[in-house]
Amino acid sequence: DAGVIQSPRHEVTEMGQEVTLRCKPISGHDYLFWYRQTMMRGLELLIYFNNNVPIDDSGMPEDRFSAKMPNASFSTLKIQPSEPRDSAVYFCASSFWGAQTEAFFGQGTRLTVV
Amino acid sequence: DAKTTQPTSMDCAEGRAANLPCNHSTISGNEYVYWYRQIHSQGPQYIIHGLKNNETNEMASLIITEDRKSSTLILPHATLRDTAVYYCIVSFGQNFVFGPGTRLSVLP
Repeated sequence: DAGVIQSPRHEVTEMGQEVTLRCKPISGHDYLFWYRQTMMRGLELLIYFNNNVPIDDSGMPEDRFSAKMPNASFSTLKIQPSEPRDSAVYFCASSFWGAQTEAFFGQGTRLTVV
Repeated sequence: DAKTTQPTSMDCAEGRAANLPCNHSTISGNEYVYWYRQIHSQGPQYIIHGLKNNETNEMASLIITEDRKSSTLILPHATLRDTAVYYCIVSFGQNFVFGPGTRLSVLP
């Protein structure tokens, strides 16, 4: 397996534009996570899914952020409209169910909103 | 909020053992201790985890105190490629909360 695949690796967009980040989890994993990393706040869990269903979205900063998982092999994180303070590295991770499990992270998408 | 406390930074000489401490005094009986690391600009990488017994794998050893209130990650022979931020996390299940971690610098 190629691991968790995120696209694009880098995204530069203008304030007010819609941004869509994509993630393909590891095949067979039933949990998918979206994290955001900034210098100020470190790694923050935004939302996670189990079997394509959102379980906890309490980390989503505001209504401009939305995430979907239409099937077991694909998820999107959308920001609309984007703002400069959304600039960060966004990581997707996936794992098996279990009380003890390791999460596998993608390489991240570096988002810059100008 | 993270349930762990780690030193902000540590240095280690190349080839020597790196011992990274973590305090988790409020850990619950069913929570595991996990260690991840993040090499600059990459996604976090799983290292090891344990419940109450010491654990060892090809990357590292994890020593958990008997009262489970603290643990130590040991990299037996640190190399320059081990320079990274190391995160200690306590969790039951999938919800990992990352703290600021320890920035380990392996020096030549």
